Amino acid sequence: EVQMVESGGGLVQPGGSLRLSCAASGFTFSAYWMSWVRQAPGKGLEWVANINQDGSERYYVDSVKGRFTISRDNAKNSLYLQVNSLRVEDTAVYYCAEGGGVFNMRGQGTLVTVSS
Amino acid sequence: EIVLTQSPGTLSLSPGERATLSCRASQSVSNNYIAWYQQKPGQAPRVLIYGASSRTTDIPDRISGSGSGTDFTLTISRLEPDDFAVYYCQQYGRSPHTFGQGTKVEIK
Repeated sequence: EVQMVESGGGLVQPGGSLRLSCAASGFTFSAYWMSWVRQAPGKGLEWVANINQDGSERYYVDSVKGRFTISRDNAKNSLYLQVNSLRVEDTAVYYCAEGGGVFNMRGQGTLVTVSS
Repeated sequence: EIVLTQSPGTLSLSPGERATLSCRASQSVSNNYIAWYQQKPGQAPRVLIYGASSRTTDIPDRISGSGSGTDFTLTISRLEPDDFAVYYCQQYGRSPHTFGQGTKVEIK
């Protein structure tokens, strides 16, 4: 069974940083594109970033370019999102997803709250 | 960026009725790369349909997707209690991959 466990979220002040992690299991992690998708409280879904199988290709939504960095460790079946220079509008639940275009989200997400 | 507009915002129906959800794109979606997701409160979204009309594993055939170009539809032929949720369409034909704002299907 495909499972993803996101962690690393929390309350942070504007301008702060966090490192989000996703531990994946139940599929051949190294064979798939992976993505992060976020959802602000009570709002819709937004694709944030994706990364190809070996990490050589990475893409971001414009609003996070230069502030967020997606990475992966295939030996640990793990996906990461380094989030820097956080803004109030980055407040959201962040979901890890298998896939680069169609997003298979199987975790509960991790909540990032940006507030002073 | 491709903007997806879903309608209606809320659909109030009874179990057993047919639900028709619309998703209109601001420009043609290449290869009809449209996915549909279902989200229930407190849960992650679940993929129902990809490629506009292909069902993912375990999705019953009373749920179907159709459309091409800029107009896409998700149809639930006979609503069951488990179907009352929020539904999102999403395009993955061009980056950034964008979602519609969602349609809530509620019990009438």
